[in-house]
Amino acid sequence: QQQVKQSPQSLIVQKGGISIINCAYENTAFDYFPWYQQFPGKGPALLIAIRPDVSEKKEGRFTISFNKSAKQFSLHIMDSQPGDSATYFCAASIHGGGGNKLTFGTGTQLKVEL
Amino acid sequence: DAGITQSPRHKVTETGTPVTLRCHQTENHRYMYWYRQDPGHGLRLIHYSYGVKDTDKGEVSDGYSVSRSKTEDFLLTLESATSSQTSVYFCAYSKGTSSPDTQYFGPGTRLTVL
Repeated sequence: QQQVKQSPQSLIVQKGGISIINCAYENTAFDYFPWYQQFPGKGPALLIAIRPDVSEKKEGRFTISFNKSAKQFSLHIMDSQPGDSATYFCAASIHGGGGNKLTFGTGTQLKVEL
Repeated sequence: DAGITQSPRHKVTETGTPVTLRCHQTENHRYMYWYRQDPGHGLRLIHYSYGVKDTDKGEVSDGYSVSRSKTEDFLLTLESATSSQTSVYFCAYSKGTSSPDTQYFGPGTRLTVL
């Protein structure tokens, strides 16, 4: 049972374009939503995260949009660069404190072409 | 790499043999986690620990056991490896000193069970 559904599975974007990855969740008790970035042969690394009390969070070229009523959140990468080519995972947990158990989406493989 | 190492990095073993994977963190953080990563499933939590000798099950714990006798080390054991346990295993830690509590991942261990 996939509690966090992620789409698309793969994405090809031209350099300078906008990459958009979507996630939907089922458990309304989730209250912490991080995005992780993973390069080949490496472990995932936190990219950006949001709590449900805000509808948007922006850090540089990366923005999370959050729609609590629709139980959806998305990652937008503005001005996408070849260096952004990686696998992106959305995740959710019931609380963001110590020992929080993350439920991950299935991942999106992003390729940014020149 | 975020002060966390995993060993071995690659292992090939045969069905029915016991396997132990080691995770070591250098800063004595309280919380540690073991995940497995499989195509189409993202990362799934196997076990986690909230202190020395304090562990709990995650989403996919069947066939796995863990031990934490020292703060810095978290061991994952496959008592009798099966082909379905072929996967990439990631360890993570979190500091537990803030909320949200970011998880920092190790480089992973690729395990093949023949």
